[in-house]
Amino acid sequence: GESVGLHLPTLSVQEGDNSIINCAYSNSASDYFIWYKQESGKGPQFIIDIRSNMDKRQGQRVTVLLNKTVKHLSLQIAATQPGDSAVYFCAESGNQFYFGTGTSLTVIP
Amino acid sequence: DTAVSQTPKYLVTQMGNDKSIKCEQNLGHDTMYWYKQDSKKFLKIMFSYNNKELIINETVPNRFSPKSPDKAHLNLHINSLELGDSAVYFCASSPTWGGGETQYFGPGTRLLVL
Repeated sequence: GESVGLHLPTLSVQEGDNSIINCAYSNSASDYFIWYKQESGKGPQFIIDIRSNMDKRQGQRVTVLLNKTVKHLSLQIAATQPGDSAVYFCAESGNQFYFGTGTSLTVIP
Repeated sequence: DTAVSQTPKYLVTQMGNDKSIKCEQNLGHDTMYWYKQDSKKFLKIMFSYNNKELIINETVPNRFSPKSPDKAHLNLHINSLELGDSAVYFCASSPTWGGGETQYFGPGTRLLVL
């Protein structure tokens, strides 16, 4: 099947800094992309999504960027807080739904 | 008022036993899923049901048998449990089948086979 991968499996950032988590996807037919946050002991939770007719979408402290030319997705977290420490997954959806391998974000106080 | 709930949260059992995990969603969604998450956090889809009908059945041993009594419930029965079945199992739901929609996840069931 198609794969969704992340460039960095772990990321450590200082509290207050901005974080960028990257994701590469390979299915050019995917037209919907989602970022999930999974805290320890919990299930993945929806953070933000973007459809293929957009290249940027902003939420509260989070921004998702989509570059369809190079099949790249990124999640930017502004002013990272300790509560942002979690594993972040990108997921792509076309005719099926695929998860990436996850990036563990650690926020250093 | 939990959207997707699973029971039990923890399950510790001996090899060879048969066990079931239950999942319920109160979101009115048509589609439900089971995922297995390994120790490296990789999420692998196992099954998908749409309106009580099996849509996806990935390469999963036939010891795993899903059952959907109605579209709000998707249970997972596992026969003859093996050590390699130890993992976290997540149930999820989405409004419809066909992609383009967010999946909502339950809290997970942590299965440990001894």
